Order: sequence, then C-alpha cells, then structure tokens
Amino acid sequence: GDSVTQMEGPVTLSEEAFLTINCTYTATGYPSLFWYVQYPGEGLQLLLKATKADDKGSNKGFEATYRKETTSFHLEKGSVQVSDSAVYFCALSDPYNQGGKLIFGQGTELSVKP
Amino acid sequence: SQTIHQWPATLVQPVGSPLSLECTVEGTSNPNLYWYRQAAGRGLQLLFYSVGIGQISSEVPQNLSASRPQDRQFILSSKKLLLSDSGFYLCAWSFGGGTSYEQYFGPGTRLTVT
Repeated sequence: GDSVTQMEGPVTLSEEAFLTINCTYTATGYPSLFWYVQYPGEGLQLLLKATKADDKGSNKGFEATYRKETTSFHLEKGSVQVSDSAVYFCALSDPYNQGGKLIFGQGTELSVKP
Repeated sequence: SQTIHQWPATLVQPVGSPLSLECTVEGTSNPNLYWYRQAAGRGLQLLFYSVGIGQISSEVPQNLSASRPQDRQFILSSKKLLLSDSGFYLCAWSFGGGTSYEQYFGPGTRLTVT
C-alpha cells in the first residue's frame, strides 16, 4: 500500500541555518504531495503542495520538488527562524484512494534556537 | 472563503462518560470530511471519513462512531470513553470531486479522559 517516510526528529538548528527534512514515498498511482506544518497546540496548516513530477511547491521561504525518479519530496528552507519551530508532516494523496484520503508521514519536529 | 470550526476546544471527561465533538465547515458544498486522532508525540491516525450526508467510512475499529447529519456537519461520538481515547482530535475537509485532495484542518479538540 501507499506510504510516506520522513526523517526522524527532533531536528535542532540554529537560527539562519539551512533546513532539509527528507521525505520519500511509495504509491500505486501518480500522487499529489504535500507538506503540512503544525505549531504547538494547533491544527495542521497546508504549507505547500505539488501535483505532478518536477513541480516545485513553495511558500514562506520553504520549497519542495516532486522527484518521481527518486520518489522524494524533501522540504528545504535556506534560513530558518525561531518562529519555524513546529512539527512538519509530509503527505500524499493517491487518486486511487477512495474518499481523497491522505497518507501522512510520522512527522518531524523542528526546533530552532536563537 | 472556507472556514472550519471545531468545538469544544478542550474537554476533560471521566472514563465511561459519553462524548460528542462537532465540526462544521462554511463556504463550500458537499465537502469530504475527516476525523483524525493524534496521541501525544505521535502522528495522525485517520478515524473516519465521509464523502456525503449519511455516508461514513471507518478506518479503525474502536468505541468511537461518526455521523454526518448535514452536508457540512461532522460529529464524533462515543457512548463510553476509555482512557486510551485521550488525545488531540482534528477535523478536516477537502473539496469533493477534487483532483489533488489537499485537506484543510480545524483547530482541534484536546480531550483528556480521567
């Protein structure tokens, strides 16, 4: 079945450091890929998405490129801020999944120190 | 624009008591609706989803149930809560009949069963 694997956390960085959170997937069809962010005590917010191979999603300085050849969708940011501290979830939506269900990774906690 | 509401925001209930959590969506019609549970420090577990009024699919057998009495209303219930039902409950929606199926999450309900 479909699955999403994220790098283990927590990830601790200093402010202005470069961020990469790895995400790889397996899917039956041609999925859409998403990154969500969850701040403490809140629901998930859609951060960015990509719907087909080689698409690049971007938002708030974060980027991720849909790589079909490596089945990956790694999240990157050039210079993190303390306010980026949160849990990040990679997810996919397979058009063959009934009901538009999303398959989530386990989440990666990011802590940015000043 | 669309908004999603959940209430209550927090709830403390004794073991064996009933539960009713409500979720409503505004600004769209015939959305797909989802209930997730997030245990402390864990990822997301899909509990139920619905593609239309009265149509409920269960992902995990448990003592919880869901209902969709109106197009944009989704209710999570239990007749008798267990300690293991504690967690953060998230409701989400997506466009029915969409192609990329990104989901939009509510603010969540923190449930503590004592």
